[in-house]
This record gives sequence, structure tokens and C-alpha cells, in this order.
Amino acid sequence: QKEVEQNSGPLSVPEGAIASLNCTYSDRGSQSFFWYRQYSGKSPELIMFIYSNGDKEDGRFTAQLNKASQYVSLLIRDSQPSDSATYLCAVKPGTGTASKLTFGTGTRLQVTL
Amino acid sequence: SAVISQKPSRDICQRGTSLTIQCQVDSQVTMMFWYRQQPGQSLTLIATANQGSEATYESGFVIDKFPISRPNLTFSTLTVSNMSPEDSSIYLCSAAGQGAEAFFGQGTRLTVV
Repeated sequence: QKEVEQNSGPLSVPEGAIASLNCTYSDRGSQSFFWYRQYSGKSPELIMFIYSNGDKEDGRFTAQLNKASQYVSLLIRDSQPSDSATYLCAVKPGTGTASKLTFGTGTRLQVTL
Repeated sequence: SAVISQKPSRDICQRGTSLTIQCQVDSQVTMMFWYRQQPGQSLTLIATANQGSEATYESGFVIDKFPISRPNLTFSTLTVSNMSPEDSSIYLCSAAGQGAEAFFGQGTRLTVV
């Protein structure tokens, strides 16, 4: 079983719709959860992080965490063509800086006109 | 967020040679991380570099092939030694900011011919 699992996609959504990206993780002791956006040929860019159960909103982005179900998701409202990218879910066992991130394989999002 | 400068951004190297990649952070960080990302794949952690001690390598990566230096709290290098075409990849350095989140350099696209 992979430690962090994501559907590779592509996930295709029309412009203006809500894109829902999902991630499950196997380590029940995980404490920190991150979403990165990676455009083709570029390095990953942090867009959201969440530590506590529930929702965290930042602009058009909402991260949702359910530790009991070992599930974290990213919602993108009013999707734009510029949101087309690969979204990487990453998990860390602690909340400090010392522990390493484990990445999922990423979900490719395509926002269509 | 930490700003990370990585160089070179790309290189084409002959097999059997070595390439050293440099990573400079604009603030002091405890841990720095080196990743490899092969085309269409997610990020694989090579090693964790802690200032003043030897790097900790992940399974499948060895110091002779990927020596790492960490002379101070803002700088690290990764050397890819005795390169073969299989080493062609994107190499990324990362550091943690104030919290647990990690930020990435621009990446080094390496092609071995």
C-alpha cells in the first residue's frame, strides 16, 4: 500500500466549476498535510497546509482534513484555466521542521474553457 | 516563506562525469532536503541534510553516488557522481520555513548523454 495515494487523473472540469482533489494516507500518526501545485517544467509551489480536522479556506482554495478517515482534500472554487496543473498531496508525521514530507503521485487537473 | 535559489537550472552532461548542484536559502534553516523527480513521476526523497552532520540517505540512495555537503545553515550542495543516462531527472532542493511547510528551489533539469 502506498503511503500517500492520489488519483493520477486527469481530472477535467469546466471553467468556473469546483474542482475536488482527494488524497488518502496510510500513517495514522501523520500530523501535517500539504497541497502543492506544480506546473509542467516548474518546481512545486505550496498552496495550502492544514493541521487540524475540518476545513481551512484561503481565497478560492479550501483544504479539508478528516484524520479519522485518513483523508485530505483540496477544493478549488471558480476554477480557471490557470489552475491547470498537477496537484501534489504531501504528508508529514510531525508539525516541526525536522521531519520529512511524503508525497503522493499527484493529480493532473485540466480546466477547460 | 523561505526563498530558495538553486543552480544550475539545467545542464547536459557526459556520462561518467559529476555535477554539483547548489542550493542557497535566504534564511537559516535546520534541515534541507534533496529530491529527485523523474518525468511524469512524483518526488522521491534522496536525503536529508542537517548542518554539521552527515546526511541521512533514503533507501536506494548512497553517499558515494550522491554526496551532500551542508557547511552552514543557509547552503547545501548535492553532487551526482559518475553519471549515467538513468540519472537524467529533475533534482530539487527543499527547506522548511517557519512552520512545517517546505519550500522548493527552482529545480535542476539534468540530462546525461
